[in-house]
Amino acid sequence: GQSLEQPSEVTAVEGAIVQINCTYQTSGFYGLSWYQQHDGGAPTFLSYNGLDGLEETGRFSSFLSRSDSYGYLLLQELQMKDSASYFCAVSHTGGFKTIFGAGTRLFVKA
Amino acid sequence: SQTIHQWPATLVQPVGSPLSLECTVEGTSNPNLYWYRQAAGRGLQLLFYSVGIGQISSEVPQNLSASRPQDRQFILSSKKLLLSDSGFYLCALSPVLKLGMNTEAFFGQGTRLTVV
Repeated sequence: GQSLEQPSEVTAVEGAIVQINCTYQTSGFYGLSWYQQHDGGAPTFLSYNGLDGLEETGRFSSFLSRSDSYGYLLLQELQMKDSASYFCAVSHTGGFKTIFGAGTRLFVKA
Repeated sequence: SQTIHQWPATLVQPVGSPLSLECTVEGTSNPNLYWYRQAAGRGLQLLFYSVGIGQISSEVPQNLSASRPQDRQFILSSKKLLLSDSGFYLCALSPVLKLGMNTEAFFGQGTRLTVV
């Protein structure tokens, strides 16, 4: 079967750094993506890792270790607007599917 | 750039009534299309995906069906809604960069369905 595990909630203060972890179990793994969703809105793409290592996009970075079936999203210089749900998602080779984790609710406090 | 049109934004339907949600896309050809459902405060559950016209794969046995009559049109249907069908329904596309490569999914704004 397929499963993704990520913490349900994380709280951090404005200006801080927060890391959201994701572990997965799946066959035919192709890549790991991260999405942000504000309340009432649609998910928006943040980052993708197809290879091991770190990908940096502005204040957001994402990391993947295929051997450990593990990845994380790193958010730096947190802002109040970063309060949202963050989902990791696994893409599969040949199956054209993208499966999402249950999401991590990030609360940013002043 | 690709655009996803999804309507209506909100919908209230009685139990036992039929459902038809339509999703159309622009700015891309032969995309992979997806229907996801999200219960309040929960993650996204993949319901159906389609890699081409008339090609539908179902992920979860349920009261729903999907069809893709045209390359850029994806429809989610039900003959008789259940209370448990309530949720936030999201249409998504993934451009086909190369066979088997799915990297980024783009989402429509969703339909919030309440079955009463």
